[in-house]
Amino acid sequence: QVTLKESGPVVVKPTETLTLTCTVSGFSLSSARMGVSWIRQPPGKALEWLAHTFSNEEDSYSPSLKRRLSISKDTSKSQVVLTMTNMDPVDTATYYCARTRVVAATYWFDSWGQGTLVTVSS
Amino acid sequence: DIRMTQSPSSLSASAGDRVTITCRASQNIIIYLNWYQQKLGQAPKVLIYGGSSPQTGVPTRISGSGSGTDFTLTITSLQPEDSATYYCQQSYSAPYTFGQGTKLEIK
Repeated sequence: QVTLKESGPVVVKPTETLTLTCTVSGFSLSSARMGVSWIRQPPGKALEWLAHTFSNEEDSYSPSLKRRLSISKDTSKSQVVLTMTNMDPVDTATYYCARTRVVAATYWFDSWGQGTLVTVSS
Repeated sequence: DIRMTQSPSSLSASAGDRVTITCRASQNIIIYLNWYQQKLGQAPKVLIYGGSSPQTGVPTRISGSGSGTDFTLTITSLQPEDSATYYCQQSYSAPYTFGQGTKLEIK
């Protein structure tokens, strides 16, 4: 059974750095054609893809947030970490991690964590 | 970035009805289009990937079609549990953008 679980702070202050951890089970972060993405959703709004990492060290970031984001993984711990610098109240959102599949150039998020709500407030 | 536009933004239908949700991409994305269902307070769940391939376990009354810039999600024989917000997402190129969502209410 594939599971993903996000963990991290519930509240961060403006200008602080957010660090979120996604702990996965049921698959390996070294599996071919599987990766982990981070996606966020402000309250009442649509989904926004942030970044992904794959076993072949291919990382990718949303261009609009690239200078603020960093993604890394610890395969032995089955964890993927996302850091986002210089947090602002507009970054208040539920942050999801999701397993990402790639088959014949088709790419989709087939399993999701429950999400963690992060509020940016002083 | 590729812009994804869904229509309608919301709709209301009765159990047993057939509904269609449309998603239009701002450029040709071939077949690289996925559909997700998000129920209130839950994480999204993939329904369709690659334009028309159903994720394992998705009922056959839910289907996807389309290519190029225009795609549709069709749900037949609506059930109360279909009440949710539906999102399309392009996987042609990063950033992998989502539509704004279509909220489906079952009367």
